[in-house]
Amino acid sequence: ILNVEQSPQSLHVQEGDSTNFTCSFPSSNFYALHWYRWETAKSPEALFVMTLNGDEKKKGRISATLNTKEGYSYLYIKGSQPEDSATYLCAPQLTGGGNKLTFGTGTQLKVEL
Amino acid sequence: DGGITQSPKYLFRKEGQNVTLSCEQNLNHDAMYWYRQDPGQGLRLIYYSQIVNDFQKGDIAEGYSVSREKKESFPLTVTSAQKNPTAFYLCASSGNQETQYFGPGTRLLVL
Repeated sequence: ILNVEQSPQSLHVQEGDSTNFTCSFPSSNFYALHWYRWETAKSPEALFVMTLNGDEKKKGRISATLNTKEGYSYLYIKGSQPEDSATYLCAPQLTGGGNKLTFGTGTQLKVEL
Repeated sequence: DGGITQSPKYLFRKEGQNVTLSCEQNLNHDAMYWYRQDPGQGLRLIYYSQIVNDFQKGDIAEGYSVSREKKESFPLTVTSAQKNPTAFYLCASSGNQETQYFGPGTRLLVL
């Protein structure tokens, strides 16, 4: 089973703070890295899929970077809002693994007023 | 509306009983997946199917069975051999090498 680590496990920030979290994964046989956002009482929703070393993706106030050589990805949220409160999951996809993803345990973010 | 539906939302299982969780998608996706979530753990893959009439075991397949007779449907049976079935079960689907789209989930509880 692939070892995918996310840190921190949970995070409380104030509205307006910027924050970031980390996803670490084995760098061998890498194909893609997926980020998902999972709000309470909803389904996980895809944020980004990144494939190339040095990739940067952005969606509104959320952005992500990828380092495939060392096996990590950062997710950044600028100016956090209460609606950003969710669990953020990362999942690497390996070559030869088809569409199979291995999910980390997630970072639970709570943004307080 | 295109999407993935799972039913029921809550399911209760008695000791020794098999129960089946439904997952249907109308996204025309080839691949479908079943995950289990337990408190403090990530989503763990139970079974997946990349094409009709074919499926593979995921990381925690013991005590579960699936079928993929139709492209739209991927039911999961939790058998009596699964000794700790209480969990939240998520179904997902995807096109080839693409993002997975998730259903709303089924919470299974043991009576």
